[in-house]
Amino acid sequence: GENVEQHPSTLSVQEGDSAVIKCTYSDSASNYFPWYKQELGKGPQLIIDIRSNVGEKKDQRIAVTLNKTAKHFSLHITETQPEDSAVYFCAASWGNDMRFGAGTRLTVKP
Amino acid sequence: DADVTQTPRNRITKTGKRIMLECSQTKGHDRMYWYRQDPGLGLRLIYYSFDVKDINKGEISDGYSVSRQAQAKFSLSLESAIPNQTALYFCATSDRDIADTQYFGPGTRLTVL
Repeated sequence: GENVEQHPSTLSVQEGDSAVIKCTYSDSASNYFPWYKQELGKGPQLIIDIRSNVGEKKDQRIAVTLNKTAKHFSLHITETQPEDSAVYFCAASWGNDMRFGAGTRLTVKP
Repeated sequence: DADVTQTPRNRITKTGKRIMLECSQTKGHDRMYWYRQDPGLGLRLIYYSFDVKDINKGEISDGYSVSRQAQAKFSLSLESAIPNQTALYFCATSDRDIADTQYFGPGTRLTVL
């Protein structure tokens, strides 16, 4: 089955800096790659996603890049703000299967 | 009101007890999912249902069962709870299929002593 690895597990940045979280996947058939943000005491919420026919997608301060050849994808957050502090999960999907990474705890220091 | 609700929010039980976690949604979605979240392991899919007559096992279905009582309701049961089922459980829905935006409930924290 699919295996998704996510790095780093924790990330601390200064407000205004950029943050990058990276994920790799094992199944070349995976074709959908979402990123979820989970705030304390809440369920995960989709922040951006990308499909395998696209190499990059951007939404304001958030962007995702996909390298199908290398089987990795990354989340980029620019101009970080304290409210970006949360746990972020990547995932990869193929068919009726969805596998999540272990999560990255991002802390943005004011 | 929240689109996806879960009850109870917290539950402490003993080994061997039967437990049911309930999920309701008002989004009108056909697709519903149950996930388990453990520290350092992310979320893992337990069961999913694409409509009232359709139930499918996910990555880690052993020790769990589900019931889809209506389009809006999807319950997860632990027939005989064991300590390693202690985890945070999430219900989610999506409009089309699993490769689509999933809307998660607030979670149920289950502790099995």
